[in-house]
Amino acid sequence: ETGVTQTPRHLVMGMTNKKSLKCEQHLGHNAMYWYKQSAKKPLELMFVYNFKEQTENNSVPSRFSPECPNSSHLFLHLHTLQPEDSALYLCAGGGEGTEAFFGQGTRLTVV
Amino acid sequence: AQKVTQAQTEISVVEKEDVTLDCVYETRDTTYYLFWYKQPPSGELVFLIRRNSFDEQNEISGRYSWNFQKSTSSFNFTITASQVVDSAVYFCALSDNEAGNMLTFGGGTRLMVKP
Repeated sequence: ETGVTQTPRHLVMGMTNKKSLKCEQHLGHNAMYWYKQSAKKPLELMFVYNFKEQTENNSVPSRFSPECPNSSHLFLHLHTLQPEDSALYLCAGGGEGTEAFFGQGTRLTVV
Repeated sequence: AQKVTQAQTEISVVEKEDVTLDCVYETRDTTYYLFWYKQPPSGELVFLIRRNSFDEQNEISGRYSWNFQKSTSSFNFTITASQVVDSAVYFCALSDNEAGNMLTFGGGTRLMVKP
């Protein structure tokens, strides 16, 4: 079992759909993060949660809505996305004294 | 603002060659941390190394070595005797936090090692 598990691995959705990405960490760490990896831009931090509280929102549009019910689970709710939101969405777990451990990502395609 | 530049977008080498991946960073912080991650085709980012700004000693781990030069704001990564399994995208990243909570990534270098 890997440290950080993301589901689904691939997702195709229409612009009017609502979907959610799920991340689960098995590391016992207190922090979780969402990163976005687009084809033409460097990896970008989207959100940071520490002890279930959002501590960072990197100017992410409201069509992306994160949820962190506990330190082991992180969701990214998606609605009315645009084609340019197509990307690899990476979740990571981490905390003080340790580096971030990443999941395999969800490849999202918005059609 | 922090910035990381990986000028080489793609490198192709033949197996057993040595290869160096360049990384140049910008930050106003006096304390910061530098990272290298490997992204194989499967997608996840695999942590390779973390180095803090006060430790300029070079590090070697098997075929991997890192050269941190504060004077030139560079943190280069060398793979000695490259292997096909080294083929991946490599990212250099910067954080003002040891845990790397909020990483600023470079654009990545795609390394292709041919047999």
